[in-house]
Amino acid sequence: DQQVKQNSPSLSVQEGRISILNCDYTNSMFDYFLWYKKYPAEGPTFLISISSIKDKNEDGRFTVFLNKSAKHLSLHIVPSQPGDSAVYFCAAWDSSYKLIFGSGTRLLVRP
Amino acid sequence: DTAVSQTPKYLVTQMGNDKSIKCEQNLGHDTMYWYKQDSKKFLKIMFSYNNKELIINETVPNRFSPKSPDKAHLNLHINSLELGDSAVYFCASSQDLGDLSETQYFGPGTRLLVL
Repeated sequence: DQQVKQNSPSLSVQEGRISILNCDYTNSMFDYFLWYKKYPAEGPTFLISISSIKDKNEDGRFTVFLNKSAKHLSLHIVPSQPGDSAVYFCAAWDSSYKLIFGSGTRLLVRP
Repeated sequence: DTAVSQTPKYLVTQMGNDKSIKCEQNLGHDTMYWYKQDSKKFLKIMFSYNNKELIINETVPNRFSPKSPDKAHLNLHINSLELGDSAVYFCASSQDLGDLSETQYFGPGTRLLVL
C-alpha cells in the first residue's frame, strides 16, 4: 500500500510556462515533505521541502504548496526551462525516520 | 569530487551468484542508507546505519547483508541472487538521523540485472 502517490507518470510543458507536479499522501501523521529531482543515470538530488506548519515554501523558480486537509502537495516550477526536464519524486518522512517516496513524475520541458 | 560514490555502476550476473556493491561518502556524514528502486520506480529504504550501527532494517530477505566498516562506507552484499533482485540500488548519506530537515545525498545508483 503506497502512502505517497504521484498519479501522473509524465508531464510535458512548453518552455517558459508553468509546470505543476502533484503528489498525494494517505498518512495524516506525515509532517515533513520533500521533492527530489533525478536526471538519467544519476541519483536523486534534493530540491525543496516543506513542513506541515506551512502551506507554502518558495525557492527561486520552485514553490511547493501543501494542503493538509486534502493530503495533497504540489510543486510549481515557473518559468519552466529545458534543463528542468527530469523525474521528480515526492517524499515524506514517516515516524520511524524513513523517507517514503512516490513513484515519480517525468517532466519534459519542450523548447 | 563525487560526494557519494557507488561501485560498480552496472552489474550483470547469473541467478544463484553472490555479489557486493560498495558505497563511499566523503561528506563526513554519520548516517548512510541503501534504497532499492524496483520496476515500478518506487524508491524504498532497505537499511540505514548511523555511526556504523544498524538503525533501520526493513523487511528485506536475509540474503541481503549490509556492512559498515567505518562511517564513510556502507557496502551491500547479496547472497544467492534471484531474478527479483534486479533493480537499481542507491546508496545515500545524511549528516544525522532524526532531523527532518536533513538532506539525503544520493549516489548515482548501481543497476543490477540478474539473468
